[in-house]
Amino acid sequence: DIVMTQSPLSLPVTPGEPASISCRSSQSLLDSNGFNYLDWYLQQAGQSPQLLIYLGSTRASGVPDRFSGSGSGTNFTLKISRVEAEDAGVYYCMQALQNPLTFGQGTKVEI
Amino acid sequence: QVQLVQSGAEVKKPGASVKVSCKASGYSFTSNYMHWVRQAPGQGLEWMGRINPNSGDTNYAQKFQGRVTMTRDTSISTAYMELSRLRSDDTAVYYCASGTDAFEIWGQGTKVTVSS
Repeated sequence: DIVMTQSPLSLPVTPGEPASISCRSSQSLLDSNGFNYLDWYLQQAGQSPQLLIYLGSTRASGVPDRFSGSGSGTNFTLKISRVEAEDAGVYYCMQALQNPLTFGQGTKVEI
Repeated sequence: QVQLVQSGAEVKKPGASVKVSCKASGYSFTSNYMHWVRQAPGQGLEWMGRINPNSGDTNYAQKFQGRVTMTRDTSISTAYMELSRLRSDDTAVYYCASGTDAFEIWGQGTKVTVSS
């Protein structure tokens, strides 16, 4: 199974400041089609997770442009350019390259 | 609108089975895989498996092989996840999730409590 490792696990942030979360995979997520099968999800308190970024860097519909995803292979980053209060929650990366799909441990962002 | 609506909370005794439903609306049910993800209290997300609603083909995480069964009824755009021989550590919120490129749509979650 592909192991996903996130850091940090806890991230205190100040509104208006940038934030960054790292996600590393135990195997490359770069497929032969040139896409990285890495997604980012945010789970706000008491809610179902919601998709932020897919294929490593594509923002999902309706996701503010302050969120961006980057990286390739085994190293990926989610960046928030200017954190807002509504960005609080737990962020998960997930590899979608092969079954079983696996998630990182989650990064709790506290505003 | 596009949504997945899951069945209500369940309380089960150890050794019993639970069957959770997930009804899709607002999109073509057979177009995308339906996945099941669970989250134990205070823990992270865990993928259980998926079903192709069109063919009925399934892929399960090895951890759940032999205990989980995913099915669907295309006539009512509903997917099901049945977990048998329940243990206390199966206590969790169970989500269905689907989408074209990733998990764009999530159900609201079904809380399953396993307790004697």
